[in-house]
Amino acid sequence: DTAVSQTPKYLVTQMGNDKSIKCEQNLGHDTMYWYKQDSKKFLKIMFSYNNKELIINETVPNRFSPKSPDKAHLNLHINSLELGDSAVYFCASSPRDRGPEAFFGQGTRLTVV
Amino acid sequence: AQSVSQHNHHVILSEAASLELGCNYSYGGTVNLFWYVQYPGQHLQLLLKYFSGDPLVKGIKGFEAEFIKSKFSFNLRKPSVQWSDTAEYFCAVNPLSGGYQKVTFGIGTKLQVIP
Repeated sequence: DTAVSQTPKYLVTQMGNDKSIKCEQNLGHDTMYWYKQDSKKFLKIMFSYNNKELIINETVPNRFSPKSPDKAHLNLHINSLELGDSAVYFCASSPRDRGPEAFFGQGTRLTVV
Repeated sequence: AQSVSQHNHHVILSEAASLELGCNYSYGGTVNLFWYVQYPGQHLQLLLKYFSGDPLVKGIKGFEAEFIKSKFSFNLRKPSVQWSDTAEYFCAVNPLSGGYQKVTFGIGTKLQVIP
């Protein structure tokens, strides 16, 4: 069974569109994250949720909105996509108070054309 | 600004060579330290971690890392690399003052092992 699963794995879309990436974890973890990995492989945290509550919201355009319907899911919705949003987005989860000891999903490669 | 530095961006080694990848951080307080590996086309996987205790930590696949507090370093080592170690390696630092969720990754080191 996949511990942290993201869908879709690949996403190609035009500028200006709105898209969502879904993430689910079956590990029973309290904390979930979204990371962005750019073309230079630089990995940066975007959001962190702890039991459905937003804990970290780094400097991310408000076009990006995370939604956590329950502690096993953390979806990422992006409005008005821009070329610079092209990247690989990783979802991750961790037990409470073990933040960086995270389990990562396979990533979603978003290409905005 | 507080940061995590990985000095070697691209390392090329022959099989059986020894490996050492550098990682330095600039946080002054207590930190948790991690190395992650990302194989081509794969997600990140935890290689090893340091929370406290023995500064020499052993991880999976024969990797180890040494925390030297005075040097703010957490270098990754492996005595003899294999072709299957070809991957990107990321150092990560969690300063406890920022809470357990706050983590900063280094820019990564691409390791290429030649058979």
